[in-house]
Amino acid sequence: QLQLQESGPGLVKPSETLSLTCTVSGGSISSSSYYWGWIRQPPGKGLEWIGSIYYSGSTYYNPSLKSRVTISVDTSKNQFSLKLSSVTAADTAVYYCARLQSTFYYGSGSYYYYMDVWGKGTTVTVSS
Amino acid sequence: SYELTQPPSVSVSPGQTASITCSGHKLGNKYAYWYQQKPGQSPVLVIYQDSKRPSGIPERFSGSNSGNTATLTISGTQAMDEADYYCQAWDTSVVFGGGTKLTVL
Repeated sequence: QLQLQESGPGLVKPSETLSLTCTVSGGSISSSSYYWGWIRQPPGKGLEWIGSIYYSGSTYYNPSLKSRVTISVDTSKNQFSLKLSSVTAADTAVYYCARLQSTFYYGSGSYYYYMDVWGKGTTVTVSS
Repeated sequence: SYELTQPPSVSVSPGQTASITCSGHKLGNKYAYWYQQKPGQSPVLVIYQDSKRPSGIPERFSGSNSGNTATLTISGTQAMDEADYYCQAWDTSVVFGGGTKLTVL
């Protein structure tokens, strides 16, 4: 059974870089069928997609965060990582990693993506 | 950027049918997905590709998508269905609705 586990510091200082890693177990991150992504949820608020990566390194980012986000993959460790720079209190959230499944929509001739397996999430607080 | 709109809250009596809507421009021309999130837990996919249920999701969960609106329907709602529900679509990036809190009174 596929499992994802987030890890990283729970406290980050303002203006510094938030770094998290997601370890995938029970399956290979190099599978051609999936993307791997990060989603966050500020306290009491809704879900916000951060970005996704394919095992080859191809990425999609949320346009509103793109200037501060880097997602990378390490296939040898079956892990992918998130770096978010210049953090502020607004970046305080539960951060989830997830597997993205793709489906082909014939109507538009496009692939659509959704999250079918989620990690348990890790809380990151930005505070001095 | 593409936006999805959900009602902040929906209430339903046990055993009745709950409907949660998700509106977006020409959403019916895309696939809609739905997630259930209970307090302190990760989201769980309950509907994909508008109306398909993942393995393990009860049959009382169903979905539809047409025009500008996707709908998640829970038939015979149970107390355990009380949760936040999020719709999602793809428009060159993942887009979430703001979420709907379902209360089972």
